[in-house]
Amino acid sequence: EIVLTQSPGTLSLSPGERATLSCRASQRVSGNYLAWYQQKPGQAPRLLIYGASSTATGIPDRFSGSGSGTDFTLTISRLEPEDFAVYYCQQYGSSPKYSFGQGTKLEIK
Amino acid sequence: QVQLVQSGAEVKKPGASVRVSCTVPGYTYTKLFIHWVRQAPGRGLEWMGGFDPEDGRIIYAQMFQDRVTMTEDTSPITAYMDLSSLSSDDTAVYYCVTVDLWRQFLHWGQGTLVAVSS
Repeated sequence: EIVLTQSPGTLSLSPGERATLSCRASQRVSGNYLAWYQQKPGQAPRLLIYGASSTATGIPDRFSGSGSGTDFTLTISRLEPEDFAVYYCQQYGSSPKYSFGQGTKLEIK
Repeated sequence: QVQLVQSGAEVKKPGASVRVSCTVPGYTYTKLFIHWVRQAPGRGLEWMGGFDPEDGRIIYAQMFQDRVTMTEDTSPITAYMDLSSLSSDDTAVYYCVTVDLWRQFLHWGQGTLVAVSS
């Protein structure tokens, strides 16, 4: 069974800084079916990145994804106040067919 | 823009069942593959199951396999998630969400709170 481990659990940064979030899979993620989501309190998650590196429609270009195999990264180049939220990675393919990481909370320092 | 509209909050007793619905008003285009994801209070996202774009069949997460049923009507598109033998551990917000070609969760419903309490 594939497990997605996100690090760090909490990331404290200031607006304008660069954020780097990690998602590591216990097995290879086939076809790079790896996505990233942002969730704010009281809201449904929002898709940011799919296919490991493709930016979803309407997502600002300060968000980018990279990686392959078992190691993936979400980068926010310059943090805006509205970027402070919880971020999840998600994979498709291995058992279970769909699964999420436990999340990284990005908080204002 | 695809909009998913879910049914309202539910309060259930332990051992009961719950049905949550998810309607896509006015959508008549391509096939939608609707899945269900839940989130317990203060916890992360947990995939429950849905229609697999690979072959259109229903797939369930193993931990729910024995007590969840997901179905769909087509006009209008309405997905249903039935969960039985509820316990307090099932208290969560339940989301319906569409799965797209890259198996990403694209369009989300607003969420339905299911509270299980004696």
